[in-house]
Amino acid sequence: QKEVEQNSGPLSVPEGAIASLNCTYSDRGSQSFFWYRQYSGKSPELIMSIYSNGDKEDGRFTAQLNKASQYVSLLIRDSQPSDSATYLCAVRRDKGDTGRRALTFGSGTRLQVQP
Amino acid sequence: DTGVSQDPRHKITKRGQNVTFRCDPISEHNRLYWYRQTLGQGPEFLTYFQNEAQLEKSRLLSDRFSAERPKGSFSTLEIQRTEQGDSAMYLCASSPSRGELAKNIQYFGAGTRLSVL
Repeated sequence: QKEVEQNSGPLSVPEGAIASLNCTYSDRGSQSFFWYRQYSGKSPELIMSIYSNGDKEDGRFTAQLNKASQYVSLLIRDSQPSDSATYLCAVRRDKGDTGRRALTFGSGTRLQVQP
Repeated sequence: DTGVSQDPRHKITKRGQNVTFRCDPISEHNRLYWYRQTLGQGPEFLTYFQNEAQLEKSRLLSDRFSAERPKGSFSTLEIQRTEQGDSAMYLCASSPSRGELAKNIQYFGAGTRLSVL
């Protein structure tokens, strides 16, 4: 079992629709959760971070975290063709200031927004 | 440019050669990370520095790989005796050490794409 699992897609949605991207993780000690967007051939770009259960909204993006279910999701409202990219879920297990700082990434979900 | 800078952007080498990559983090960030990404996969952690101290190393970092950050500023990643399996994008990221939430955020450079022939 991979530590962070994502459906590879592609997830295809029409322009203006809501895109829903999901991620599950296996390490119950994970405390920090991130969504990165990566365009083809480019570096990952942080979209959202979330640390506590519930929803966190930023513009058209909403991140949802459920630690009991070990589940993180990203909703993109009013999807645009420019949102077409691979979305990477990343988790980090924090152990205080000297703890493990590496991010563990999923393989990403490719999103295609059709004009 | 105030982002994470990596050099070179592309490197083509023959199997068995040594290669070295450089990363310049965001200036006020004292934490620096190296990741490797292959096609269709997410980045995989290689190593982490806080200032000049190398605090974490992945088992992916075989003895052919070495990373340094001698003055706590830029970092280098060297691969000796390259193999075709080393072909990947090598990403560098940095994060601040102050600010409870800010220090969790890693900012990535554009990466160095290595092709081993």
